[in-house]
Amino acid sequence: AQSVSQHNHHVILSEAASLELGCNYSYGGTVNLFWYVQYPGQHLQLLLKYFSGDPLVKGIKGFEAEFIKSKFSFNLRKPSVQWSDTAEYFCAVKSGAGSYQLTFGKGTKLSVIP
Amino acid sequence: ETGVTQSPTHLIKTRGQQVTLRCSSQSGHNTVSWYQQALGQGPQFIFQYYREEENGRGNFPPRFSGLQFPNYSSELNVNALELDDSALYLCASSPMTVNTGELFFGEGSRLTVL
Repeated sequence: AQSVSQHNHHVILSEAASLELGCNYSYGGTVNLFWYVQYPGQHLQLLLKYFSGDPLVKGIKGFEAEFIKSKFSFNLRKPSVQWSDTAEYFCAVKSGAGSYQLTFGKGTKLSVIP
Repeated sequence: ETGVTQSPTHLIKTRGQQVTLRCSSQSGHNTVSWYQQALGQGPQFIFQYYREEENGRGNFPPRFSGLQFPNYSSELNVNALELDDSALYLCASSPMTVNTGELFFGEGSRLTVL
């Protein structure tokens, strides 16, 4: 069974600091990778995704992630965080075409201090 | 807003009871998935419905069952409730015909089992 590990449970940053959230997955075959975000009081929504091609993918609100196949990693980055980035971030992996089953990590809570 | 609506938003049940949770999918989406999110955990896949049939299931016992209706709305039923069933239950819809892997989540139904 595949699994997803997110290394940080809670990250606290000041505004303008750079962000990197770690994500590693266990599945050895072809995967699709996602980062979802949940802002306080809101539903889960897609931040960015990787299916194929350029391993550096860009998402909404200035976020990007890099797929490193040899390391089974898909880390999320942002050069300069804002207070509005305070949220919980979930890494997820999907394996197999035709299925929408996502395996999620436990999530990383990001708190940005003004 | 994603267009995915869930009801009820909160409910309290006692151990051994049965519960039904409802979900209306986003317009144009014919696939519905259900996830369980326990406190401090990421969402965990329960099952997926497409064309009114279950076509994928996670590691959940048979007392978790579901239905999908011709209008693509869905129900999640849980029998013989246990304390560990206390969680946020998320419904997500997606268009099976376009395998983007992006799920559109509702805000969830929070179930407390006493």
